[in-house]
Amino acid sequence: AIQMTQSPSSLSASVGDRVTITCRASQGIRNDLGWYQQKPGKAPKLLIYAASSLQSGVPSRFSGSGSGTDFTLTISSLQPEDFATYYCLQSRAFGQGTKVEIK
Amino acid sequence: EVQLVESGGGLVQPGGSLRLSCAASGFTFSSYAMSWVRQAPGKGLEWVSAISGSGGSTYYADSVKGRFTISRDNSKNTLYLQMNSLRAEDTAVYYCAREITIFGVGYYMDVWGKGTTVTVSS
Repeated sequence: AIQMTQSPSSLSASVGDRVTITCRASQGIRNDLGWYQQKPGKAPKLLIYAASSLQSGVPSRFSGSGSGTDFTLTISSLQPEDFATYYCLQSRAFGQGTKVEIK
Repeated sequence: EVQLVESGGGLVQPGGSLRLSCAASGFTFSSYAMSWVRQAPGKGLEWVSAISGSGGSTYYADSVKGRFTISRDNSKNTLYLQMNSLRAEDTAVYYCAREITIFGVGYYMDVWGKGTTVTVSS
């Protein structure tokens, strides 16, 4: 089975910061990767699919990139509502999650 | 409005059984594969099981294989998860989610329910 390694496990950032989260696959997965945001007590929300396609309704400050084994989720200017936990997903296998906290 | 509503969670003793349901509305249920995803307290997301739109194909995580059974009733727009031989480590919030594929490759859960809580404890 393909293993997904997400990093960092947590980070502290300020409003307006540029934030980058990475996900690495144990073998090549082309562009088969999604990104999710989850806030406490809520269901996850799909942000990005196929590595770089923005889900409808998701703000353009979120972007995804990568192909093969290395992928990145970038938040260009962190907003107060973006403090949450982020997960990558590769065909039914989730990464471990990255908690984005307020500095 | 596209909606998924889970039910059936509760407190069960180790070794016991529980059946979760997920009622779908606002979309053509039979056209979509569906998944169950769980989240143990304070932990990350874990995919549990999936079923094709017709119900003819099912898939399971190794952690639940042989103990859980996924099924669906397309006439009732309802997804099920029968959970047997429950263990303490099955304690979690269980979400049902609609799956989409992009260009026939990859599986993404684009619509989620609010979840139902399962607690396995004596």
